[in-house]
Amino acid sequence: AQSVTQPDIHITVSEGASLELRCNYSYGATPYLFWYVQSPGQGLQLLLKYFSGDTLVQGIKGFEAEFKRSQSSFNLRKPSVHWSDAAEYFCAVGARSGGYNKLIFGAGTRLAVHP
Amino acid sequence: GAGVSQSPSNKVTEKGKDVELRCDPISGHTALYWYRQSLGQGLEFLIYFQGNSAPDKSGLPSDRFSAERTGGSVSTLTIQRTQQEDSAVYLCASSPGQGRYGYTFGSGTRLTVV
Repeated sequence: AQSVTQPDIHITVSEGASLELRCNYSYGATPYLFWYVQSPGQGLQLLLKYFSGDTLVQGIKGFEAEFKRSQSSFNLRKPSVHWSDAAEYFCAVGARSGGYNKLIFGAGTRLAVHP
Repeated sequence: GAGVSQSPSNKVTEKGKDVELRCDPISGHTALYWYRQSLGQGLEFLIYFQGNSAPDKSGLPSDRFSAERTGGSVSTLTIQRTQQEDSAVYLCASSPGQGRYGYTFGSGTRLTVV
């Protein structure tokens, strides 16, 4: 069955430091992969997505992610974190199910940013 | 509308009561999804609607949960005889086509069963 693992439940970084959030997936075919961000009391906002082609994808707010098939990973990175990046981040894999694309989510990583 | 709209934003109900949660998807989006987000958990798929096709109800946790979508637009998620374990944020999302490019989520309904 398809699954997504985000090994880090909480991460704390200092403002201006670099960030990497880990995501591993289990899926038998070539996956569609997504990162979403959820600010307190808000819905989920799509940061970036991967379908095919270039394995390094750029997203909004200065985020990028790299698809590594050999490691079944899709880690999210940002070179310099801003205080406004404090939020919860969800990785998701799009699993084709009955002719549509069902998103399977990881449990999320909560990011705290110290000034 | 410009985004996915959910109402109410917050709902407190007594154990055993029925509740209805509403979702108004983005105009023109044919696919609609419901997810549940419990405290400290990821998102749990509940149900998917696509046009006039039969919905995928495989994620509904019990027969107390049901959902309908009228006219291919607005959807209502109904929870009968609510239990405390139903307390969660219920998120609705919509997408054009089959969701290959990701979904657009609403802000959710926070349900508290007391």
